Amino acid sequence: KQEVTQIPAALSVPEGENLVLNCSFTDSAIYNLQWFRQDPGKGLTSLLLIQSSQREQTSGRLNASLDKSSGRSTLYIAASQPGDSATYLCAVMRRGSTLGRLYFGRGTQLTVWP
Amino acid sequence: DGGITQSPKYLFRKEGQNVTLSCEQNLNHDAMYWYRQDPGQGLRLIYYSQIVNDFQKGDIAEGYSVSREKKESFPLTVTSAQKNPTAFYLCASNKQGRTYNSPLHFGNGTRLTVT
Repeated sequence: KQEVTQIPAALSVPEGENLVLNCSFTDSAIYNLQWFRQDPGKGLTSLLLIQSSQREQTSGRLNASLDKSSGRSTLYIAASQPGDSATYLCAVMRRGSTLGRLYFGRGTQLTVWP
Repeated sequence: DGGITQSPKYLFRKEGQNVTLSCEQNLNHDAMYWYRQDPGQGLRLIYYSQIVNDFQKGDIAEGYSVSREKKESFPLTVTSAQKNPTAFYLCASNKQGRTYNSPLHFGNGTRLTVT
């Protein structure tokens, strides 16, 4: 069974800080890992998808890395802004799934204050 | 713009009543999913469908039913057999292919409250 853990559960930082969110998973046999953002009362927005053969992906101020052998991923947010405040979730797509289903962590709730 | 539309945004029902949540997508995606989200918990998969007229149970299918009569639509019915139906329900979709590397797209969710 695939377990996905996100640390910390909550994070509060002043504007401008660089920060790192952590995700770990127990089964390294994965197709990919995805990072999502969720605003309060809304659905999830896909931020980055890292394929199992890749080490990292970048989009603007976001950089996600993947170390499949150790079962870890990090999401790096540079120069954080109040608009980055949201819950960030990671999810892995386990190999052997008959459909590309995802296993989700519980998320890190990020607050960036001005 | 392409996307996933869930309706209604809020739904209130009395205990013992069945209720149907709507999910429509115009992304031409093959696969559709229903997840349930409870406070402090990760998303849990209820049902999923790869193609029209076919669907599979996820981890918590008891008390729920679905249909997939059209590629664009995947409605979820919460029946009176679901013991704890109050939750935030999210519909999602993605393309299917050999690489399994299509990002998942989500709707904005339906918050169901049963009293």
